[in-house]
Amino acid sequence: AQSVAQPEDQVNVAEGNPLTVKCTYSVSGNPYLFWYVQYPNRGLQFLLKYITGDNLVKGSYGFEAEFNKSQTSFHLKKPSALVSDSALYFCAVRVSSGTYKYIFGTGTRLKVLA
Amino acid sequence: NAGVTQTPKFQVLKTGQSMTLQCAQDMNHEYMSWYRQDPGMGLRLIHYSVGAGITDQGEVPNGYNVSRSTTEDFPLRLLSAAPSQTSVYFCASMRDRFNSGYGYTFGSGTRLTVV
Repeated sequence: AQSVAQPEDQVNVAEGNPLTVKCTYSVSGNPYLFWYVQYPNRGLQFLLKYITGDNLVKGSYGFEAEFNKSQTSFHLKKPSALVSDSALYFCAVRVSSGTYKYIFGTGTRLKVLA
Repeated sequence: NAGVTQTPKFQVLKTGQSMTLQCAQDMNHEYMSWYRQDPGMGLRLIHYSVGAGITDQGEVPNGYNVSRSTTEDFPLRLLSAAPSQTSVYFCASMRDRFNSGYGYTFGSGTRLTVV
């Protein structure tokens, strides 16, 4: 069955430290993978995507994500966290090629502590 | 500013009432969808549309209707509100399936409470 898992409901990290938000997926074929961020009382905003090519993709606000095909993972990373990065992060995967359908993870709340 | 506009931002309904959540986009996007967001459940697809006149059901369609008479508008109708429909509703659009790598553009959401 197609699925996306974000195993951590919340991640706490000190400001200035590196952060990782985890995502694993299960879909057939080549995955289209996305990360979105949601700030309080706002809609989701696109952060970055992986379609093909380099396994390390760079996105907005200094975030990057590493695609690992063998581990079916797409973890979000940032070398140095900011308090303003505190938000809810969603991983999403396209269900199959040529479709609009995406599956979203349950979200991970990132809390960056000053 | 180009984007997805949702109205209203907040709404309280009594059980059994009906209402329409409005969604409009000005980016000439082919694909539009409605999601609901509930704590611990992520986003779940309610209905979607791949173009004017074409709609289909998503994961949780019961109790909701949609129509797409124009490319720009995709309203979501609650037929007879129930407390289980208390949620935050997001409208989202995408340019087309072949360029879906650009991802979704989301509206700012409608927070609905059914009492």
